[in-house]
Amino acid sequence: AQTVTQSQPEMSVQEAETVTLSCTYDTSESDYYLFWYKQPPSRQMILVIRQEAYKQQNATENRFSVNFQKAAKSFSLKISDSQLGDAAMYFCAFLGSGSARQLTFGSGTQLTVLP
Amino acid sequence: EAGVVQSPRYKIIEKKQPVAFWCNPISGHNTLYWYLQNLGQGPELLIRYENEEAVDDSQLPKDRFSAERLKGVDSTLKIQPAELGDSAVYLCASSPLTSRFLDEQFFGPGTRLTVL
Repeated sequence: AQTVTQSQPEMSVQEAETVTLSCTYDTSESDYYLFWYKQPPSRQMILVIRQEAYKQQNATENRFSVNFQKAAKSFSLKISDSQLGDAAMYFCAFLGSGSARQLTFGSGTQLTVLP
Repeated sequence: EAGVVQSPRYKIIEKKQPVAFWCNPISGHNTLYWYLQNLGQGPELLIRYENEEAVDDSQLPKDRFSAERLKGVDSTLKIQPAELGDSAVYLCASSPLTSRFLDEQFFGPGTRLTVL
């Protein structure tokens, strides 16, 4: 079974600054995807970024980028130029080829953006 | 394009009462998921449908929970009878069925259930 661990229950960042959210996972699978989802108070889960395990290049989506360390099973999210609208709960999630399409989520990190 | 629709958004019931949640996935999405999200936790899969077939219901507590997706489109999740511990957010998601195991899941806004 896969496990996803987010060791930072809460983080805060000053507006326009950079923040990094941590995520580690455990799996015996070699083919998988990793995701970061954002969940604002509206509860709507929004996909922020995804990384395919077989790709060495780190994924980037505008101000969001990841640091994927496959050997260390680490998958951190960096938010640059933080904006007030980035405030939300962020979940790291794992999807393996043997998981029958079951996303395994971490427990989340609550991000506060300070004006 | 409309997203995943769920209703109601909020529901408050007394324990031992029945409750039902409804989900309409994105048009054309074959796969539908129901997740349970407890406060301060990530979502956990309850059941996954491919068209009208429940292909993974291993984590659905079948003594009190049931689900259906009769025509392979919208779905209903039911709890009968509800217990205090069922208070949570129930999320629905949908994805297109592709040959690759990655099917990006699109989530609805969820139903927040409070059992008194």
